Amino acid sequence: GAGVSQSPSNKVTEKGKDVELRCDPISGHTALYWYRQSLGQGLEFLIYFQGNSAPDKSGLPSDRFSAERTGGSVSTLTIQRTQQEDSAVYLCASSFRTGGNTEAFFGQGTRLTVV
Amino acid sequence: AQTVTQSQPEMSVQEAETVTLSCTYDTSESDYYLFWYKQPPSRQMILVIRQEAYKQQNATENRFSVNFQKAAKSFSLKISDSQLGDAAMYFCAYRSATYGNNDMRFGAGTRLTVKP
Repeated sequence: GAGVSQSPSNKVTEKGKDVELRCDPISGHTALYWYRQSLGQGLEFLIYFQGNSAPDKSGLPSDRFSAERTGGSVSTLTIQRTQQEDSAVYLCASSFRTGGNTEAFFGQGTRLTVV
Repeated sequence: AQTVTQSQPEMSVQEAETVTLSCTYDTSESDYYLFWYKQPPSRQMILVIRQEAYKQQNATENRFSVNFQKAAKSFSLKISDSQLGDAAMYFCAYRSATYGNNDMRFGAGTRLTVKP
């Protein structure tokens, strides 16, 4: 696609339910990132995928959070047993593997509201 | 892990004036990359400017320029001739140049208001 696509754009869920957030990166981008942005706050790093390497999961806040990246392309962030503090915008970004100065392109995020 | 600090939660500037947004970072690496991103109310993150740490010359993109002080680990963004469309959240970001360690770390952001 032309850009990073995230779905759904908005999600309201009940406390205790599981949710899946999807990210379609730009074709050919091997690096994929997930960030969480609470209301009016900065970007909190969650997880990073780089090609076939083991992902950097150091930012995941609890074992309720997990992410997969299938076939080196689409990624799914799963939050189990959602809590109200999980309410935030979840941003996905992708970039080329080579060159640390390459730009990370962001999707428009999924706004998750846990009620 | 590297940390990025933006000490100004909010800044305000008069239209057509100049404003500087501050960013400091903590790293033990000698080679890395720094970025400023803009996030308008639409939530779409947009790259404003980038700087390679091995370059001494400060990056410039039209009305946007940086003051990169490597020894001080400082990377400020200067916006000249501010326009109403510059109003947004601005995020400073760090990215390692080490192969296989290219995740990006962001500061907490600075909300810029432009007054007409």
